[in-house]
Amino acid sequence: QSVLTQPPSASGTPGQRVTISCSGSNSNIGSNTVNWYQQLPGTAPKVFIYSNNQRPSGVPDRFSASKSGTSASLAISGLQSEDEGDYYCAAWDDSLNVVLFGGGTELTVL
Amino acid sequence: QGQLVESGGGVVQPGKSLRLSCAGSGFTFSSYAMHWVRQAPGQGLEWVAVMSDDGTDKFYADSVKGRFTVSRDNSKNTVYLQMKSLRTEDTALYFCAKDRDSSYRSGWFTLWGQGTLVTVSS
Repeated sequence: QSVLTQPPSASGTPGQRVTISCSGSNSNIGSNTVNWYQQLPGTAPKVFIYSNNQRPSGVPDRFSASKSGTSASLAISGLQSEDEGDYYCAAWDDSLNVVLFGGGTELTVL
Repeated sequence: QGQLVESGGGVVQPGKSLRLSCAGSGFTFSSYAMHWVRQAPGQGLEWVAVMSDDGTDKFYADSVKGRFTVSRDNSKNTVYLQMKSLRTEDTALYFCAKDRDSSYRSGWFTLWGQGTLVTVSS
């Protein structure tokens, strides 16, 4: 089953801005909202962005996201060491009737 | 916010069956679609299945279709995942997750359990 396409890794130094992309198709990102999850080692994922660009309470405003056509992106500004972890995009697919996850991006703060 | 607690994982031989449970508390369980998501060791997240709030709609990933069955008992605030004909590639940490509401098409999981580990090995 197809997945949403993310880069496997991303990195930056403290204070830098990093972006993570998520590429899909008309039946998923092109038709539905995108959500982003952060997963720290040994823990369950946690939603960091929902409905394309909304931050749940408690998520720093350093995190932002956008969607255009069949692609989405997550941006983290003012990178901090605590931001290290795995980030996943997710969206419903209307053709497959499934939730698709991206392959995940491992973020490293150098 | 609530809590989800999975149980039922363990070591099982290929071809055998296992049933996972996920008990919810602290929210109106019957108002939410419930999902199962798994994560193989060292791998990414893979969505497995969803059941609508009232149990009428169910959808599965191709990788488990015909082998796994999702069900729920709203009187017990519990969702289940019956797994049959297990394969070594089903080895994973299985999470249950609560959807944002009764609509299961958002991909927005507002609450996750801690996961239960299933190991399929001879």
